[in-house]
Amino acid sequence: DSGVTQTPKHLITATGQRVTLRCSPRSGDLSVYWYQQSLDQGLQFLIQYYNGEERAKGNILERFSAQQFPDLHSELNLSSLELGDSALYFCASSVDLLQETQYFGPGTRLLVL
Amino acid sequence: AQRVTQPEKLLSVFKGAPVELKCNYSYSGSPELFWYVQYSRQRLQLLLRHISRESIKGFTADLNKGETSFHLKKPFAQEEDSAMYYCAKAGVRDMRFGAGTRLTVKP
Repeated sequence: DSGVTQTPKHLITATGQRVTLRCSPRSGDLSVYWYQQSLDQGLQFLIQYYNGEERAKGNILERFSAQQFPDLHSELNLSSLELGDSALYFCASSVDLLQETQYFGPGTRLLVL
Repeated sequence: AQRVTQPEKLLSVFKGAPVELKCNYSYSGSPELFWYVQYSRQRLQLLLRHISRESIKGFTADLNKGETSFHLKKPFAQEEDSAMYYCAKAGVRDMRFGAGTRLTVKP
């Protein structure tokens, strides 16, 4: 167990809807990362937050947004959902930098119908 | 474009045989390179990283800057090594994963 938790484990929703995924980092980690894993795209880096501020941005769609709260937990908001957004969404955390070891959560499996 | 390539989706070897999982990356700046592993029903976890130069579970990986490769090697594969292996490259503001190689070690 890495100490990173994610909720919910599974989520089923319809196209056009909005969902929020939640992540709690390991104790002491200030950075949180979000990834999307789909069958055709593999594991894609979406975004990094460090101590409440956005630090790095990857292949995140404009329909997606994230934030990190003062208690360091993070939420990933996915809106106007499309069928192609169905994927496994991972959260990871590290002490500080992208170039450090990241500790991954179990993931949230999103199914858009 | 920044890229991490794992050319083999599937790799199958017999127990006790040597194994090499290939990883090539496109070079830009001074990336940090990692191998992450996902065992069945477990979360993704770090196997090893270039900067630490450790050998974990008998695996080693050598960075070859000339060939821009970071292949993962183990001289004698074990059945418990069967898993999904991901090569990853971290820049200052970017993180790229390869598509992964599923290693199966047969008894």
